[in-house]
Amino acid sequence: QLQLQESGPGLVKPSETLETLSLTCIVSGDSISSSAYYWGWIRQPPGKSLEWIGTVYYSGSTYYNPSLKSRVAISIDASKNQFSLTLSSVTAADTAVYFCARHPSRFYFDYWGQGTLVTVSS
Amino acid sequence: DIRLTQSPSSLAASVGDRVTVTCRADQSVGAYLNWYQQRPGKAPKLLISLVSNLQSGVPSRFSGSGSETEFTLTISSLQPEDFAIYYCQQSYGTPQTFGQGTKVDIK
Repeated sequence: QLQLQESGPGLVKPSETLETLSLTCIVSGDSISSSAYYWGWIRQPPGKSLEWIGTVYYSGSTYYNPSLKSRVAISIDASKNQFSLTLSSVTAADTAVYFCARHPSRFYFDYWGQGTLVTVSS
Repeated sequence: DIRLTQSPSSLAASVGDRVTVTCRADQSVGAYLNWYQQRPGKAPKLLISLVSNLQSGVPSRFSGSGSETEFTLTISSLQPEDFAIYYCQQSYGTPQTFGQGTKVDIK
């Protein structure tokens, strides 16, 4: 059974982290590269709807939400069976639950991590 | 960006009721429309992909239909575990976008 698990700091203090949020999604139950799948990040501010952040292919190709593109980087590490999100110049508006998910053919999100709340506050 | 508008934003229904949620796109998304269920404190769960494809393990009381700009999610007989928020999502345009959600409450 495929499982995804987000990891990273729950609190980001801009003054201490150069305003950068970094999260990792650990994939278990299948090889992140052998299945030729896409892998995505989605976020949900408290009480609000969902926002697609970006997607990475097992080859390393990336696809980003244009509204976040200047601040986002998503990478994949097949040796560790994980992929990562970096969001720079964060503000309180980036406070949200961040989810990682499998994104087959970039059509839909079928397997999700449980999500991790990231609060941006000084 | 393609805007998805769900209606109603919330509804109250009883166990056994037939419930319909509508998702309207401000431009055609073809058949690239998906539905998710989210229970409090949980990750969204994919119910229906590409308009009408029921995911494995999802009860047959859930169904989806529509095309181009108007889509519906129907729950034929509401069960206690169906009280949740439902979201539509389009994967036709970039960025992929979600509707604002429809909360299904107990009457």
